[in-house]
Amino acid sequence: DVKVTQSSRYLVKRTGEKVFLECVQDMDHENMFWYRQDPGLGLRLIYFSYDVKMKEKGDIPEGYSVSREKKERFSLILESASTNQTSMYLCASSFSVTSSNQPQHFGDGTRLSIL
Amino acid sequence: GDSVTQMEGPVTLSEEAFLTINCTYTATGYPSLFWYVQYPGEGLQLLLKATKADDKGSNKGFEATYRKETTSFHLEKGSVQVSDSAVYFCALSDLGTGGFKTIFGAGTRLFVKA
Repeated sequence: DVKVTQSSRYLVKRTGEKVFLECVQDMDHENMFWYRQDPGLGLRLIYFSYDVKMKEKGDIPEGYSVSREKKERFSLILESASTNQTSMYLCASSFSVTSSNQPQHFGDGTRLSIL
Repeated sequence: GDSVTQMEGPVTLSEEAFLTINCTYTATGYPSLFWYVQYPGEGLQLLLKATKADDKGSNKGFEATYRKETTSFHLEKGSVQVSDSAVYFCALSDLGTGGFKTIFGAGTRLFVKA
């Protein structure tokens, strides 16, 4: 089974801090994704990556950046955390962008609170 | 642009009741369709999928049929259990710039009472 591991389940940070969320997948997937999940809004794509050192903006990239130095690891960075970034963050991976029938595999999420 | 609309929740059912969660979509291409489930405290996991019109996806007693004529992919189960309590997400994957992109519905929370 594919395993997507997020480094923290719960995280509390202060306004203005630089925050790193880490995600590792063990199935050699090409694609990795970061979403945030908020009540009533479903999942919103922040950034995704289809190869090492490649990144693409999703629907809500403002205030975030990402890093993918190795194929298995995809980091989400909050450059200067703000209270409106309090949310559940979900990392996902999938095999290939060249086929639409590949599902995404998700980690268990990081619940981030910014005080 | 592409979109997914699913029925608002929460949906509350008694054990052994019949479940339907409606999902409709708009897409410019020929998307694949998915249902994901999120149990409390966990991430999403794939429940079933269908990749072309008239395909039926099924898993764990859940079924959904890809209806191109009505642009729908409704989730059904004949007899729900308490353990089915979760949030269910309908999603489509379609070709966009940079490759295939997945779009999720807002999710429907299901409560099943014993």
